[in-house]
Amino acid sequence: GENVEQHPSTLSVQEGDSAVIKCTYSDSASNYFPWYKQELGKGPQLIIDIRSNVGEKKDQRIAVTLNKTAKHFSLHITETQPEDSAVYFCAASITGTASKLTFGTGTRLQVTL
Amino acid sequence: GAVVSQHPSRVICKSGTSVKIECRSLDFQATTMFWYRQFPKQSLMLMATSNEGSKATYEQGVEKDKFLINHASLTLSTLTVTSAHPEDSSFYICSALKYTEAFFGQGTRLTVV
Repeated sequence: GENVEQHPSTLSVQEGDSAVIKCTYSDSASNYFPWYKQELGKGPQLIIDIRSNVGEKKDQRIAVTLNKTAKHFSLHITETQPEDSAVYFCAASITGTASKLTFGTGTRLQVTL
Repeated sequence: GAVVSQHPSRVICKSGTSVKIECRSLDFQATTMFWYRQFPKQSLMLMATSNEGSKATYEQGVEKDKFLINHASLTLSTLTVTSAHPEDSSFYICSALKYTEAFFGQGTRLTVV
């Protein structure tokens, strides 16, 4: 089955700096890669996703890149703000949808003032 | 977006009793819903896929007789933890599939004493 690894497990950045979280996947058939933000005691919320026919996608301060050859994808957050502090999960799916998602292990992002 | 409501948000029960958790899609119909389990500071692990009008599909290692899933309508799936024990204490999260995107409930923290 699919295996998704995520690094780093914790990340601390100063407000205004950029944050980068990286994930690798094992199944070359995976074709849908969402990123979720989870705040304490709440369910995950989709922040951005990318499909295998696209190399990069951007939404305001958030961008995701995908390297199919290397089987890795990354989340980039620019101009970080304290409210960006949360746990971020990457995920992968071979269905092209958000069904049968395999999640990464999570990254706890702390944005300090 | 779309709204998925999960109830209750917290529940404490005695060992040996059963607990039912509801997952509702409030503004869309969901043929497919998913149930996840999340231990503290860990990732989400898919327990089962719930399909409206048919039996749920359980992931390997998940006891179907212990975690009963019912998806009787296009807006409601329920997870019943039967004969709960302290090791069942966890954060349970549902998600509902709308087209290709998954929308998550806010989670249920179950504590078995």
